[in-house]
Amino acid sequence: DQQVKQNSPSLSVQEGRISILNCDYTNSMFDYFLWYKKYPAEGPTFLISISSIKDKNEDGRFTVFLNKSAKHLSLHIVPSQPGDSAVYFCAASDPGNQFYFGTGTSLTVIP
Amino acid sequence: KAGVTQTPRYLIKTRGQQVTLSCSPISGHRSVSWYQQTPGQGLQFLFEYFSETQRNKGNFPGRFSGRQFSNSRSEMNVSTLELGDSALYLCASSPRTGSVEKLFFGSGTQLSVL
Repeated sequence: DQQVKQNSPSLSVQEGRISILNCDYTNSMFDYFLWYKKYPAEGPTFLISISSIKDKNEDGRFTVFLNKSAKHLSLHIVPSQPGDSAVYFCAASDPGNQFYFGTGTSLTVIP
Repeated sequence: KAGVTQTPRYLIKTRGQQVTLSCSPISGHRSVSWYQQTPGQGLQFLFEYFSETQRNKGNFPGRFSGRQFSNSRSEMNVSTLELGDSALYLCASSPRTGSVEKLFFGSGTQLSVL
C-alpha cells in the first residue's frame, strides 16, 4: 500500500526553465514532508522540507508547495540546471517519525 | 563529521546463500533505518533500530533481519537469498531527539543475487 505516490517516473526540462515535480499522499496524519535527491551510485541527500502547518517553503532555487486539502506536494526548481539531473524522491513522516517514500521521478535537464 | 558508512559497496551472491550488510551511522546518531530500493518500487522501509531495539518493521518476510550494537552500528542479514532480493540496500541514520528530523543516507550496498 503506497502511501506516497509519484506518478511521473521521468521528466525532461530545458536548462533555465522551471522543473515541477509532483507527489501525492493518502495519510492525513503525515506532519512533515521532504524531498531527497539521488545521483547514481550515491545515497539520497536531503534537499528541502516543509511542515504540515505551512503551505510553502523556499530555499534558493528550490520551493516546495503543500496543498493539504488535495494531499498534494510539489517541488519547483527555477531555473533548472544540468546538475539538477537526478532522481527525486518525495517523502513524508508521521508523528512517530516513520518515513514513507515515493517511487521517485527521474529529472533530466537538457543543456 | 563523517557520514553514514555502508559496507560492502557491492555484493554478488547466489540463490540460497545468506548475506550480512553493515552500517555505521553518523557519530551521535542513535537511530538506524534500512531501506530497499528497486526500480519502480522506490524506497521500501525494512526496519528501524534505536538504542539496540527494533522500533519499527516494514512489510518484509522474516528472512530479513537486523540488529544494532551498543555503538549504534547496525547490521542487516538476509537469509536464503532469492533472485528478487537483488536491490540497492540503503541505511539511514538520524539523531532521534524527539523533534522532527530528516534522515541521512549512506551510499548503499548493491546486492546482486544470481
